[in-house]
Amino acid sequence: DQQVKQNSPSLSVQEGRISILNCDYTNSMFDYFLWYKKYPAEGPTFLISISSIKDKNEDGRFTVFLNKSAKHLSLHIVPSQPGDSAVYFCAASEGETSGSRLTFGEGTQLTVNP
Amino acid sequence: NAGVMQNPRHLVRRRGQEARLRCSPMKGHSHVYWYRQLPEEGLKFMVYLQKENIIDESGMPKERFSAEFPKEGPSILRIQQVVRGDSAAYFCASSPRLGAMNGYTFGSGTRLTVV
Repeated sequence: DQQVKQNSPSLSVQEGRISILNCDYTNSMFDYFLWYKKYPAEGPTFLISISSIKDKNEDGRFTVFLNKSAKHLSLHIVPSQPGDSAVYFCAASEGETSGSRLTFGEGTQLTVNP
Repeated sequence: NAGVMQNPRHLVRRRGQEARLRCSPMKGHSHVYWYRQLPEEGLKFMVYLQKENIIDESGMPKERFSAEFPKEGPSILRIQQVVRGDSAAYFCASSPRLGAMNGYTFGSGTRLTVV
């Protein structure tokens, strides 16, 4: 039962263009969402998060959009840089303070070409 | 200010042996979480511990797996009688308080290979 799904295993974009990574979820109890970035042989690194009371959160080149009715969120990276090449994981929890566990998607490998 | 330290980075065990994975949380962090990543999959929650207490072990297999976080020393994830299906990357994360999702810091993982 995959409650968080990232349907695109890979994405390739040109440097300077926008990268859009997508994530869908099925559990309506999820109300806090995070994106993590992972390089090979390293642990995931937190990027950005969003609470369900918002529909957008922005931090520099990274913006996360949440569409609760569609149970869909996306991560926009603009402009994309070669150093952004990594695996991106979407994760969700039932509450920012009450939950202790994160449910992760399968990840999307982003490649930014110079 | 060291991050979350996991060791060993790589561990090879024969079927039937025991695997011990260690995790030292960040300084000041008293909450530890273990996740497992099977090949081509996302991370799956296993267990959440505070000092000397297991808070949530709902993601951990009922047999052969155990975890502890003693008053002194690192958290240990122990896998007894390993099988090939246990081959995975095991990640530990720590946080300063419950639910501090933004403050979740992951270690670099232990890659377990069962031969």
